[in-house]
Amino acid sequence: GNSVTQMEGPVTLSEEAFLTINCTYTATGYPSLFWYVQYPGEGLQLLLKATKADDKGSNKGFEATYRKETTSFHLEKGSVQVSDSAVYFCALSGSNTGKLIFGQGTTLQVKP
Amino acid sequence: NAGVTQTPKFRVLKTGQSMTLLCAQDMNHEYMYWYRQDPGMGLRLIHYSVGEGTTAKGEVPDGYNVSRLKKQNFLLGLESAAPSQTSVYFCATKGQYYEQYFGPGTRLTVT
Repeated sequence: GNSVTQMEGPVTLSEEAFLTINCTYTATGYPSLFWYVQYPGEGLQLLLKATKADDKGSNKGFEATYRKETTSFHLEKGSVQVSDSAVYFCALSGSNTGKLIFGQGTTLQVKP
Repeated sequence: NAGVTQTPKFRVLKTGQSMTLLCAQDMNHEYMYWYRQDPGMGLRLIHYSVGEGTTAKGEVPDGYNVSRLKKQNFLLGLESAAPSQTSVYFCATKGQYYEQYFGPGTRLTVT
């Protein structure tokens, strides 16, 4: 079945450091891929998406490229801020019911 | 636009009590979902609906019931709450590209 694997956290970085959170997936067909962010005490917010191979999703300085050959969708940001501290979820959807398959989440802590 | 809203935000129940969580959306989306989020377990799908009057089971449906009488509302019911149902519950709707939009969550504690 479909599945998503994220790198385990927590990830601790200093402000202005480069961020990479790895995400790989297993799926049949051509799923859409997403990154969600969850700040403490809040719901999940869609951060970015890619709907086909080689698409690059971007938002708020975050980027991720849909790599079908490596079945990956790694999240990157060139310079993180303290306000980026949150839990990040990678997800895929490919069924007609629109059900999302989530990774376990990666906690990012950015220190001043 | 409010997007997706959930009521209540917090609730404490005693074992055996019942309650209903309400999800409302003003996005005119057909599909709606209920998830629960537990530490170390990620998000798990409880039930979902592909349109008014329809419901279907997700990954962890036992102990929950749902109804979708109106397109904009999706109700999650607990008939006899158990401590194992202590969790944070999220409602979501599906957009055009399979992305989902989440509500702010309901934090439920069952003692």
